[in-house]
Amino acid sequence: DIQMTQSPSTLSASVGDRVTITCRASQSISSWLAWYQQKPGKAPKLLIYKASSLENGVPSRFSGSGSGTEFTLTISSLQPDDFSTYYCQQYHSYLLTFGGGTKVEIK
Amino acid sequence: VQLVESGGDLVQPGGSLRLSCAASGFTFGSYSMNWVRQAPGKGLEWVSYISISGTTIYYADSVKGRFTISRDKAKSSLFLQMNSLRAGDTAIYYCARDSGTYSGLDYWGQGTLVTVSS
Repeated sequence: DIQMTQSPSTLSASVGDRVTITCRASQSISSWLAWYQQKPGKAPKLLIYKASSLENGVPSRFSGSGSGTEFTLTISSLQPDDFSTYYCQQYHSYLLTFGGGTKVEIK
Repeated sequence: VQLVESGGDLVQPGGSLRLSCAASGFTFGSYSMNWVRQAPGKGLEWVSYISISGTTIYYADSVKGRFTISRDKAKSSLFLQMNSLRAGDTAIYYCARDSGTYSGLDYWGQGTLVTVSS
């Protein structure tokens, strides 16, 4: 199975900060990577697919980059609604795997 | 698009449970589907995948041989038969639609809670 490693596991930031989350794959997954946002008690929401494509309706302050084994999710200016947990997920293999998650907390 | 899971319950170790996911607002028969679970306070874990036709199926190693995924096109429903349940299967179970264009899991249900405990 392809292992996905996210860092950091927790991130403390303030409104307006630029935030970057990293996701590394144990082998090359080309650009077959998605990012999800999850709020407490809610289902995950797709933010980014194919590493850098923004899902319809997702604010443009979210962006993704990378290919191969290293990927990043960037929030250009953190908003109050963005304090959540973020997960990366590879779909290079049908045996889908998720990263461990990054919780973005208020500083 | 709406996905509504049901069937979650408290069950004893070794027991069985069948989860359902009712789909509406899209052509269910045109999309592959997945089950994803989340143990309390933990991250997301993919469980199983079923293709549009139902002929291609995959399972995570942690559930292989114990869980069975299936779908009913006429009822626009996805199912997960869970046997030989263990404490480690305790989680919220989500059904999620595969976008079909190599674009991730684009719609998720609200989840149903399965608790395995004596």
